[in-house]
Amino acid sequence: QKEVEQNSGPLSVPEGAIASLNCTYSDRGSQSFFWYRQYSGKSPELIMFIYSNGDKEDGRFTAQLNKASQYVSLLIRDSQPSDSATYLCAVTGGATNKLIFGTGTLLAVQP
Amino acid sequence: ETGVTQTPRHLVMGMTNKKSLKCEQHLGHNAMYWYKQSAKKPLELMFVYNFKEQTENNSVPSRFSPECPNSSHLFLHLHTLQPEDSALYLCASSLRATSGRTDTQYFGPGTRLTVL
Repeated sequence: QKEVEQNSGPLSVPEGAIASLNCTYSDRGSQSFFWYRQYSGKSPELIMFIYSNGDKEDGRFTAQLNKASQYVSLLIRDSQPSDSATYLCAVTGGATNKLIFGTGTLLAVQP
Repeated sequence: ETGVTQTPRHLVMGMTNKKSLKCEQHLGHNAMYWYKQSAKKPLELMFVYNFKEQTENNSVPSRFSPECPNSSHLFLHLHTLQPEDSALYLCASSLRATSGRTDTQYFGPGTRLTVL
């Protein structure tokens, strides 16, 4: 079982719609959860982090964490073509501080 | 310069060459990381340095040799690489690297390495 799993996509949504990106993780002891955005040929840039169960909102982005289900998601409201990128979910291993990345979900926002 | 910088941005080398990648962070962080990103694979952590001390070597082959002279600079020395080592090499930094909650890592632009 992969430590951090994401659907590779592509996830295609029309401009203005809500994009929902999902991530599951295997280490129940994980404590820190991050979403990074990576444009093609560029390095990852941090979108959001979340530590506690529930929702965390920042502008058009909402991160949702459910530790019981070992599930973290990222919602992007009013999706724009400029949001088209690969979104990486990253989770700390519970026993160490290692940041474990998923393979990423490619999001394509259609104008 | 701000953030995390990496040089060179692109590197082509033969299998017998020796080269070095450089990373510098201007964020006042104490932890620095090397990652490898290959196509269709997740980011792979290679090395972690915390306050200049190596705290993680993720079973990386000895043809990759890291060096961290201070908390702001990190090098990756390369020698006798293989074509399968071609990848994007990313440097990152964070405030510190401790167990428990992890400080946010900020990435440099990466070095695109091609081994012929």
